Amino acid sequence: GENVEQHPSTLSVQEGDSAVIKCTYSDSASNYFPWYKQELGKGPQLIIDIRSNVGEKKDQRIAVTLNKTAKHFSLHITETQPEDSAVYFCAASNKRLSFGAGTTVTVRA
Amino acid sequence: DTEVTQTPKHLVMGMTNKKSLKCEQHMGHRAMYWYKQKAKKPPELMFVYSYEKLSINESVPSRFSPECPNSSLLNLHLHALQPEDSALYLCASSPTSGGFHDETQYFGPGTRLLVL
Repeated sequence: GENVEQHPSTLSVQEGDSAVIKCTYSDSASNYFPWYKQELGKGPQLIIDIRSNVGEKKDQRIAVTLNKTAKHFSLHITETQPEDSAVYFCAASNKRLSFGAGTTVTVRA
Repeated sequence: DTEVTQTPKHLVMGMTNKKSLKCEQHMGHRAMYWYKQKAKKPPELMFVYSYEKLSINESVPSRFSPECPNSSLLNLHLHALQPEDSALYLCASSPTSGGFHDETQYFGPGTRLLVL
């Protein structure tokens, strides 16, 4: 089955700085890569996703890049704000969604 | 509207109780999912329903019994649970036929279950 590794497990950034989270996957047949944000006491919310025929996607302060050859993808958050503090999960999908272990992001005011 | 609703929000039950978790979506999605999430861990898939039929059971113990009465509703019946079953139970739905491989899944807020 698919194995998704996510780094770092925790990330503390100063407000206004950028945050980068990296994931690798094992199954070359995976073709869909969503990112979820989970705030305390809530369910995961999709923030951005990318499909295997696209190398990069951006939505305001959030961007995702995908390198199929290397089997890794990354989330970039620019101009971080306190409300970006949450747990972020990457995932890769081939038949079923496989999640990374999560990254706890803390944005310091 | 991309909302998935779950009731109850919190549930405390004894090991001999029978209870049910409920999930509802009105997005016209035809695939629905149950996940279990322990603290500080990612969601783990339990069951997938596609067109109201059970498509995937990830070797979940029989004390968890899913049910999909119609395309909008998903239940999880609980019986004789163990304390280690305490977790956040998440429901999700996705638009199409449950091919799963490239569908966006929309999650509900979850039911926080405590088994005493």
